[in-house]
Amino acid sequence: EAGVAQSPRYKIIEKRQSVAFWCNPISGHATLYWYQQILGQGPKLLIQFQNNGVVDDSQLPKDRFSAERLKGVDSTLKIQPAKLEDSAVYLCASSSRQVPTPTFGSGTRLTVV
Amino acid sequence: KQEVTQIPAALSVPEGENLVLNCSFTDSAIYNLQWFRQDPGKGLTSLLLIQSSQREQTSGRLNASLDKSSGRSTLYIAASQPGDSATYLCAVTGFQKLVFGTGTRLLVSP
Repeated sequence: EAGVAQSPRYKIIEKRQSVAFWCNPISGHATLYWYQQILGQGPKLLIQFQNNGVVDDSQLPKDRFSAERLKGVDSTLKIQPAKLEDSAVYLCASSSRQVPTPTFGSGTRLTVV
Repeated sequence: KQEVTQIPAALSVPEGENLVLNCSFTDSAIYNLQWFRQDPGKGLTSLLLIQSSQREQTSGRLNASLDKSSGRSTLYIAASQPGDSATYLCAVTGFQKLVFGTGTRLLVSP
């Protein structure tokens, strides 16, 4: 079974630029999560999808972050404009009713300079 | 709001020692608790999952316990090895939510 795929692995941008991350969950997994992990901290949930609907986006900075999951499969997370404090690893995970333990991708490491 | 805390934040031990990592959470209404391992620059690997009705789970040299009433979990690593060096994260699952702790960075020296 293929795992959760994320791209790119690394991204360096200047502040005020925009960036997008992509996630392909495990086939058949209805639930998709985006987490932000700042260095030295545990991952923080940004947004959770159930199919193509948003379950929880209470910690998503909506003035600059947006996410979508068209057709309930792949998802993209966008930051526009980026700030220095957005430097972090962005983790995508997916789960299903049959496999409720989320499986995580390798993450995208973002550096904002 | 669920808050998860891990102690210690960092731990350095010589190879062969047995060690205990601690995790505490504020809301005991959880479905399960998981322990993850994270290697530098890598994603998360699930180590053990304890359902709320269970007291402990074991996998090889790892043993995790759960005391839901007191809001605590421990991860016991027996006979530690340099390959165990990583960050260990605990996470509690509420209703469709997975909340992570702050992590413990473990270094096992040969």
